[in-house]
Amino acid sequence: NAGVMQNPRHLVRRRGQEARLRCSPMKGHSHVYWYRQLPEEGLKFMVYLQKENIIDESGMPKERFSAEFPKEGPSILRIQQVVRGDSAAYFCASSPEGWVAYGYTFGSGTRLTVV
Amino acid sequence: AQKITQTQPGMFVQEKEAVTLDCTYDTSDPSYGLFWYKQPSSGEMIFLIYQGSYDQQNATEGRYSLNFQKARKSANLVISASQLGDSAMYFCAMRANSGGSNYKLTFGKGTLLTVNP
Repeated sequence: NAGVMQNPRHLVRRRGQEARLRCSPMKGHSHVYWYRQLPEEGLKFMVYLQKENIIDESGMPKERFSAEFPKEGPSILRIQQVVRGDSAAYFCASSPEGWVAYGYTFGSGTRLTVV
Repeated sequence: AQKITQTQPGMFVQEKEAVTLDCTYDTSDPSYGLFWYKQPSSGEMIFLIYQGSYDQQNATEGRYSLNFQKARKSANLVISASQLGDSAMYFCAMRANSGGSNYKLTFGKGTLLTVNP
């Protein structure tokens, strides 16, 4: 039973390019959460999605960031026109329901470096 | 709003000794959960232990135990018999167990634990 899969593990983008981060939830999970970890910080919530719906995007920057979780395929976090400040580790977690009694299972993260 | 404070940026411990990593929290939610995660140098987030605010006993998972003191709003992680592989960043986190945002985790800034041979 594969865990939460994120790819790529490492991504380098030049300023102004687009970054697309992918997250495949655990089998049977239809809820996905994205978190961002800035250097020397804890994780911060970005967005919560169910299949084809954004439930809570209160942690997403207002511009350049978007997320989707289509009916088929992985969840995508998209960052347009990246800037140096977007350099961070981006983690995805999934769950079968919106509330999990114990700890969420995170993927291994995507480390984005903007040069 | 919820807040997690981890006051120890770094901790050192000798192999085979016990170590306590501090975590204090602040919340107005009547029911909440407290988590500890481990992040080794490879970067993944590994769930260690969970404590519910209404749980009567402190949580334990193998060598990990959570020293939960509700009145003091603290949820310290105790690692017994430290091993070299315990060297990692440790994050305390919490979430409300009721209400509309009960899926959202709030993390502290972490404590870097180094286990010396």
